[in-house]
Amino acid sequence: NAGVTQTPKFQVLKTGQSMTLQCAQDMNHEYMSWYRQDPGMGLRLIHYSVGAGITDQGEVPNGYNVSRSTTEDFPLRLLSAAPSQTSVYFCASSRDGTETQYFGPGTRLLVL
Amino acid sequence: DQQVKQNSPSLSVQEGRISILNCDYTNSMFDYFLWYKKYPAEGPTFLISISSIKDKNEDGRFTVFLNKSAKHLSLHIVPSQPGDSAVYFCAASDPNTGKLIFGQGTTLQVKP
Repeated sequence: NAGVTQTPKFQVLKTGQSMTLQCAQDMNHEYMSWYRQDPGMGLRLIHYSVGAGITDQGEVPNGYNVSRSTTEDFPLRLLSAAPSQTSVYFCASSRDGTETQYFGPGTRLLVL
Repeated sequence: DQQVKQNSPSLSVQEGRISILNCDYTNSMFDYFLWYKKYPAEGPTFLISISSIKDKNEDGRFTVFLNKSAKHLSLHIVPSQPGDSAVYFCAASDPNTGKLIFGQGTTLQVKP
């Protein structure tokens, strides 16, 4: 099993550009989530999904969209990137939301 | 407001000695706590957890202690090894939503 995979590993964007961060898992997990990690802030939940077709907002959802058309994939979209979105983004999955979450390797995003 | 707090941003210990990482939380309804370990350029990995019905959980060199009355938990690593040098995140599971709420992280450096 590959576990949780994320692409790209690193991306530079200009303010106002859009992009999609990809996340996929091959463990048949129902629960998937996106976090951002910023210095001194820990990991903050952006959006999460409890199954295909179901998504909900986390702690810091503004500026991000998600969809969950399949169990395996949970892409995160930045519609109009801002410098405040410069961060490291982690995708995670678990069998359900109460169990141990498995994290991907992260995407480092720089918005100029 | 930060519901899960790790007040020490960094900790340095000598190889072979004990490392103690601390975590405080504010919501007495939290019933499940986890510690994650993160190396640079990698995603967090699950280390150890504890349910609120216990006050101690041990796994090899790692022991987590929970003091519910003080809303405090700690991770003990004995003996510490240079390979333990990483960022350690404490997390609490919100029983209402199942979401994980993370602390800010503590960077542990174990010196040879």
